[in-house]
Amino acid sequence: DTEVTQTPKHLVMGMTNKKSLKCEQHMGHRAMYWYKQKAKKPPELMFVYSYEKLSINESVPSRFSPECPNSSLLNLHLHALQPEDSALYLCASSQGWIPADIQYFGAGTRLSVL
Amino acid sequence: KQEVTQIPAALSVPEGENLVLNCSFTDSAIYNLQWFRQDPGKGLTSLLLIQSSQREQTSGRLNASLDKSSGRSTLYIAASQPGDSATYLCAVWRGYSGGGADGLTFGKGTHLIIQP
Repeated sequence: DTEVTQTPKHLVMGMTNKKSLKCEQHMGHRAMYWYKQKAKKPPELMFVYSYEKLSINESVPSRFSPECPNSSLLNLHLHALQPEDSALYLCASSQGWIPADIQYFGAGTRLSVL
Repeated sequence: KQEVTQIPAALSVPEGENLVLNCSFTDSAIYNLQWFRQDPGKGLTSLLLIQSSQREQTSGRLNASLDKSSGRSTLYIAASQPGDSATYLCAVWRGYSGGGADGLTFGKGTHLIIQP
């Protein structure tokens, strides 16, 4: 099973809402990632968790708050977002946080901020 | 800062043709290079991963080459099929200048259409 499951698939929220994106994998991977992909642009790395510890935060605004409650689950908590935050949010996982390990991606959550 | 460029941005060819997608990167100090496929509105599927010490990788009708010193990679697709229609993304694993792991930097992709 090489599946990374992201929920919800679609999310519409207002600028004052609080919502969360969820990502789950059961491959025993110890590295998990959040990427943001705007329309017709490449994915951009936001956060990296390695062994449930935040290892990289690519200068992401504090209105995005990641959480890794256990080795299988990764959340992205959203609060007070702006319309320009509308994008496809992709979660990925890999065996370890090393270049040799292939990253497996979920199908993404398409977020629209009104 | 690492930059990844893919040429062409879009490509439309008849079914059955062999084709080449190009990827270039500005900093040759990479750990590896990956080719991904992305279908519309979907996530990414890894196609091939080439370590920096390797020259090429093959999987079925796909062959990827890497020339690290010149900062170039190509993805060769043989006998193209309509099901190959997708966006193909190239990504390199960048590293911190002080060593250690970091993450992937992606190109903008080549949008490929295979005409039946």
